[in-house]
Amino acid sequence: EVQLVESGGTVVRPGGSLRLSCAAFGFAFDDHGMSWVRQAPGKGLEWVAGINWNGVGIGYSDSVRGRFTIARDNAKSSVYLQMDSLRAEDTAFYYCARSMSGHFQSFDHWGQGTLVTVSS
Amino acid sequence: EIVLTQSPPTLSLSPGERATLSCRASQSVGNHLAWYQHKPGQAPRLLIYDASHRATGIPARFSGSGSGTDFTLSVSSLEPDDFAIYYCQQRSNWPPSITFGQGTRLEIK
Repeated sequence: EVQLVESGGTVVRPGGSLRLSCAAFGFAFDDHGMSWVRQAPGKGLEWVAGINWNGVGIGYSDSVRGRFTIARDNAKSSVYLQMDSLRAEDTAFYYCARSMSGHFQSFDHWGQGTLVTVSS
Repeated sequence: EIVLTQSPPTLSLSPGERATLSCRASQSVGNHLAWYQHKPGQAPRLLIYDASHRATGIPARFSGSGSGTDFTLSVSSLEPDDFAIYYCQQRSNWPPSITFGQGTRLEIK
C-alpha cells in the first residue's frame, strides 16, 4: 500500500526556518516525481515545489522561489522542503504528493498533511 | 505562469442531477490537465488525469473532456458522497511548473 507520511510542521516565528519531511512507503520511490502542495486556511490548493525522479528537474511557485528548497534522498525514500524567511502567508497545511510518473505529472497519492503556522 | 479559471465558483445541485464543472486555461496546456476532489480533513483525490482518463478506482459517473484551453468535468448522476470542492490542475515539464484552479464548491441544493 502506498503511504506518504509528512512531519515537521509546527509553530514558527516570521523570518524563521523550518524543514518538512515526507517519508514514502509501498512503492519504488525513485520511479516518481514528488511535490509539496499547500492549503492556507479558507483557501484553495497551491502547488509549492516539485522535483523529478532523479532530482535534476526542480520547480517552485513564484510565491516561494528563493525562500524554499525542495530535495530528495532516494536511498531513504524521502522528500524534504526547507522553508526559510517564513512569512505569515506561508501558514497552511502542507501536503506531500506523488506524481504518476518520474516527472511533473498528476498526483495520484497524497499524504495527510502537516500544519505550519507562522506567527509571532 | 498559466492561470486556470474554474466556473462556477459554487454549484448547487440535488442528488441524481448531472454536474458540469468548467476549467479554462490562460494558454494552451494540451491535454495536461487533471481534476481532483477535496473534502475537509481529507487528502485530495485524483479523479481524472490527462484531461479524460479516469484514475484507478474512480466511478464511471465521473468523466473529463477538453483540450487546449477549455476543459470540463462531468458527474452524470450525483451521489451524496460527491458533494465536495473540485480543483483542476495543469502541469508543464519545462519549465517545471504546476498550477491549480481556484476550485468549484459542489453543494447540496
